[in-house]
Amino acid sequence: QKEVEQNSGPLSVPEGAIASLNCTYSDRGSQSFFWYRQYSGKSPELIMFIYSNGDKEDGRFTAQLNKASQYVSLLIRDSQPSDSATYLCAVSRSNFGNEKLTFGTGTRLTIIP
Amino acid sequence: NAGVTQTPKFQVLKTGQSMTLQCAQDMNHNSMYWYRQDPGMGLRLIYYSASEGTTDKGEVPNGYNVSRLNKREFSLRLESAAPSQTSVYFCATLTSGGPHGANVLTFGAGSRLTVL
Repeated sequence: QKEVEQNSGPLSVPEGAIASLNCTYSDRGSQSFFWYRQYSGKSPELIMFIYSNGDKEDGRFTAQLNKASQYVSLLIRDSQPSDSATYLCAVSRSNFGNEKLTFGTGTRLTIIP
Repeated sequence: NAGVTQTPKFQVLKTGQSMTLQCAQDMNHNSMYWYRQDPGMGLRLIYYSASEGTTDKGEVPNGYNVSRLNKREFSLRLESAAPSQTSVYFCATLTSGGPHGANVLTFGAGSRLTVL
């Protein structure tokens, strides 16, 4: 079992709809959870960070964390073609993140105009 | 990718050849990392350096060596390249005090390496 699991996709969502990306992790000691976005041929960039159970909103993005179920998700509201990318889930055992991030394999999201 | 510069961007090697990937940062960060990214495998940590003069193994260190000679530069060396080392390599630094106080990784643009 991989430490961080994501559905590789591709996930196709119509423009304007809500895109829902999911991630599960196996290490119960994980404390910090990150979502990175990676455009094709580019490097990953951080879009969301969460460490408390519940929801965290930032603009059109909402991260959801459920430590009991070892589950973290990313919702993208009003999806735009520019949201088409691969989304990487990453977890860390330390508070606020440190060097030993463990990444999932990523979910490829395509927004259909 | 302002602040983290990787060279070269592309490289083709023959099996058994050696090469060094260079990474330099101008953000005065202590921690630097080397990841590799392969289809279906995600990003995997090869080596990291928490400070100048220190290095530690990550998840997949075999076949690689690193050098952190100063705070700015962290190099990754392949002594005898193998086809299994064909990958995209990313250097990253750790930024303190990112969004909501998180420490976040800032990646370089990547180096695409092909070993024939």
